[in-house]
Amino acid sequence: EIVMTQSPATLSVSPGERATLSCRASQSVSSNLAWYQQRPGQAPRLLIYAASTRATGIPARFSGSGSGTDFTLTISSLQSEDFAVYYCQQYNNWPPYSFGQGTKLEI
Amino acid sequence: EVQLVESGGGLVQPGGSLRLSCAASGFTFSRYEMNWVRQAPGRGLEWVSYISSTSRSIYYPDSVKGRFTISRDNAKNSLYLQMNRLRAEDTAVYYCARVKDSSGWDTNDAFDIWGQGTVVTVSS
Repeated sequence: EIVMTQSPATLSVSPGERATLSCRASQSVSSNLAWYQQRPGQAPRLLIYAASTRATGIPARFSGSGSGTDFTLTISSLQSEDFAVYYCQQYNNWPPYSFGQGTKLEI
Repeated sequence: EVQLVESGGGLVQPGGSLRLSCAASGFTFSRYEMNWVRQAPGRGLEWVSYISSTSRSIYYPDSVKGRFTISRDNAKNSLYLQMNRLRAEDTAVYYCARVKDSSGWDTNDAFDIWGQGTVVTVSS
């Protein structure tokens, strides 16, 4: 089973600043990695798939990078609606699908 | 509009059973692989089950294997999760989720459409 580890657990950033979130896989997942955003009381929303491709309707300030075991989600200029919890997920070697424990992005 | 709507959650005693439903609309449900994902209170996301487009392939994590059964009715555009022998640790919001560019079975892809979730509480 592949274990996904996200860091940091909580990231405090000011609006307009840049945020960098990390996700590490316990073994290579190639580029089969997704990022999701979850706002309070809402379902997760797909942001990035294939490590670096933005999903439909996702603003350009969200970008993903990495391959193999190390991945990064960058939000270039934080807006108020971006403060949420972010999860990475690998879909290269499944079952089981595995998610990271999440990074909470707070003001 | 592409949409998934879950229902069937509620309060159940430990050892009890519950059947969740997920109604799909706005897309050709029969072509897509589907999943259930849950989230315990204050916790992260946990994958619960997978079913291929024709129901030929079905997978579960060890945490629910032998207790949960996923199924689908393509004629009714519906996905189901039968949960038996429920435990307190099964308390969670349960989401159904679609595999993005599904080939029908065992597709390596993200989950692009999620329902709003249904709450399951296991408590005496």
